[in-house]
Amino acid sequence: EAQVTQNPRYLITVTGKKLTVTCSQNMNHEYMSWYRQDPGLGLRQIYYSMNVEVTDKGDVPEGYKVSRKEKRNFPLILESPSPNQTSLYFCASSLLAGSLGNEQFFGPGTRLTVL
Amino acid sequence: KQEVTQIPAALSVPEGENLVLNCSFTDSAIYNLQWFRQDPGKGLTSLLLIQSSQREQTSGRLNASLDKSSGRSTLYIAASQPGDSATYLCAVMGDSGYALNFGKGTSLLVTP
Repeated sequence: EAQVTQNPRYLITVTGKKLTVTCSQNMNHEYMSWYRQDPGLGLRQIYYSMNVEVTDKGDVPEGYKVSRKEKRNFPLILESPSPNQTSLYFCASSLLAGSLGNEQFFGPGTRLTVL
Repeated sequence: KQEVTQIPAALSVPEGENLVLNCSFTDSAIYNLQWFRQDPGKGLTSLLLIQSSQREQTSGRLNASLDKSSGRSTLYIAASQPGDSATYLCAVMGDSGYALNFGKGTSLLVTP
């Protein structure tokens, strides 16, 4: 089944404890991205990747890191989480970046709480 | 920066009604526009993707239109059902092909 998977689905952690949220897609998509969703603010793009080893900042990149060493995986790293990073996080992928017919497929989400 | 606005923010209709959800965007230089459905606590399900060169797309009871020059899109839902209750999100892909900007959604409740 074609899908985007995220792990963990739920995470409660404490301020300053490094964490990684994994994202994997099995559709051989080139483009992957991360979003956070907050009440009243909607979905905002954190980082995106056009292909392996190619990443760039979205609208709210502060406090996050990403890497794209393999085409299928795009982990989101919070090196020193803070309470304002408590949010619902989504990973997404699409076949190609910068082209027509660029349908985005989303993962199920990761609910992160930072105490 | 692209701003995407969805009106209304919330909508309640009786079952069977036809309804229209609106999405407007400030920068007409877009690659495509995508409508999503989000159920409470769940991920996003893609409903329709309209490329910038297209005027509309249809899938079952859903029809989405795009007027790029005026910065507007509408999602038409025919013969609404209680199972249509969800939040509907509009997302615009800028002409770089990399940045996806979302509206804040319309929360739809269809009552039996």
